[in-house]
Amino acid sequence: QKEVEQDPGPLSVPEGAIVSLNCTYSNSAFQYFMWYRQYSRKGPELLMYTYSSGNKEDGRFTAQVDKSSKYISLFIRDSQPSDSATYLCAMRQSGYSTLTFGKGTMLLVSP
Amino acid sequence: DVKVTQSSRYLVKRTGEKVFLECVQDMDHENMFWYRQDPGLGLRLIYFSYDVKMKEKGDIPEGYSVSREKKERFSLILESASTNQTSMYLCASSFFDSSGGRGHNQPQHFGDGTRLSIL
Repeated sequence: QKEVEQDPGPLSVPEGAIVSLNCTYSNSAFQYFMWYRQYSRKGPELLMYTYSSGNKEDGRFTAQVDKSSKYISLFIRDSQPSDSATYLCAMRQSGYSTLTFGKGTMLLVSP
Repeated sequence: DVKVTQSSRYLVKRTGEKVFLECVQDMDHENMFWYRQDPGLGLRLIYFSYDVKMKEKGDIPEGYSVSREKKERFSLILESASTNQTSMYLCASSFFDSSGGRGHNQPQHFGDGTRLSIL
């Protein structure tokens, strides 16, 4: 079983849709969870950073962590064509600096 | 804003050459990382460093070495480039927050990558 699983997509939605992106993981020691957005030919850009279980909201983005199910989600409300990118989930254990990444989900938002 | 700068966006080299990829960060971060990113394989950690002159192997260190002589600069070296090292190389850095006693690693921030082709 891979440590972090993420559907590669592509996920195609119309502009204005609510998007749900997800990752599952197997290591119960993960405590910190991140979502990165990566545009084509650019480096990943940090979107959301959460600790342990719960929700965090930032504008149109909501990150959700369910540690009991080992499942994290990123919701994008009122999606825009500029949201078209690859979204990477990442997580790490407490006391570690290294991250374990999902392979990314490609999102396409059509006007 | 954190700035991680990779010296080249695109690089073409020949097999057997010694290749240097440079990365500089301007935020006084303790931790620095080198990854490669390949379709279908995602991001894979090559080496990382948590202090000047310190280095740790990541998941795929074979064929690579690193150098960190100054805090802001982390270099990746391909000792003898091979075609299977054609890839996108990404550098990242993160801050170690030692306030509050226990210490805490902050999230990583990435450069825009170097697309390296080995012919």
